[in-house]
Amino acid sequence: TQLLEQSPQFLSIQEGENLTVYCNSSSVFSSLQWYRQEPGEGPVLLVTVVTGGEVKKLKRLTFQFGDARKDSSLHITAAQPGDTGLYLCAGVAGGYNKLIFGAGTRLAVHP
Amino acid sequence: GAVVSQHPSWVICKSGTSVKIECRSLDFQATTMFWYRQFPKQSLMLMATSNEGSKATYEQGVEKDKFLINHASLTLSTLTVTSAHPEDSSFYICSAPTGTVYNSPLHFGNGTRLTVT
Repeated sequence: TQLLEQSPQFLSIQEGENLTVYCNSSSVFSSLQWYRQEPGEGPVLLVTVVTGGEVKKLKRLTFQFGDARKDSSLHITAAQPGDTGLYLCAGVAGGYNKLIFGAGTRLAVHP
Repeated sequence: GAVVSQHPSWVICKSGTSVKIECRSLDFQATTMFWYRQFPKQSLMLMATSNEGSKATYEQGVEKDKFLINHASLTLSTLTVTSAHPEDSSFYICSAPTGTVYNSPLHFGNGTRLTVT
């Protein structure tokens, strides 16, 4: 079973700081997705990366897919309290028709 | 955009009873739906893959006789927790891709919080 390791698990920062969340695996993934989840709700897709080396930007969020398609990162610039939430990476490994989630990063941004 | 509706959003039941959770794709057809379980402050654990018109595929360690899945139509999958016990209390979330998981993201329901007393 493929395993996605996500770090850090918890992150508490002040408004305006930058942060990076990492998602790593020993397996190759055909695509990696990043979701954000609010308490009591289902995850909401932020981005999908499919090409090795791909970089996608979503306002203050920058997503990168590793060249070997085994890892990904999410960088948030000038974090705001509204960014608070659970960030999840998820991947579909080659040959598997299912999405597996990392352990998640719980982010708290304080005013 | 694609919408997945899950019902009920919360349910409280007594130990030993069964609970059915419905997952509907409202504006697209889903030949495959996924059921996840999430414990407090933890990530989503895939329980099973629901396949329209055929048997569900369960992940290792998930009891198929306890978590019955039925996917009788292209827009509805149900998860029945049979003979529920307090340890089954959790947040259950369904999801479905508009295409395959390789070429389309998953759309999630808002989850069902099950409390077994």
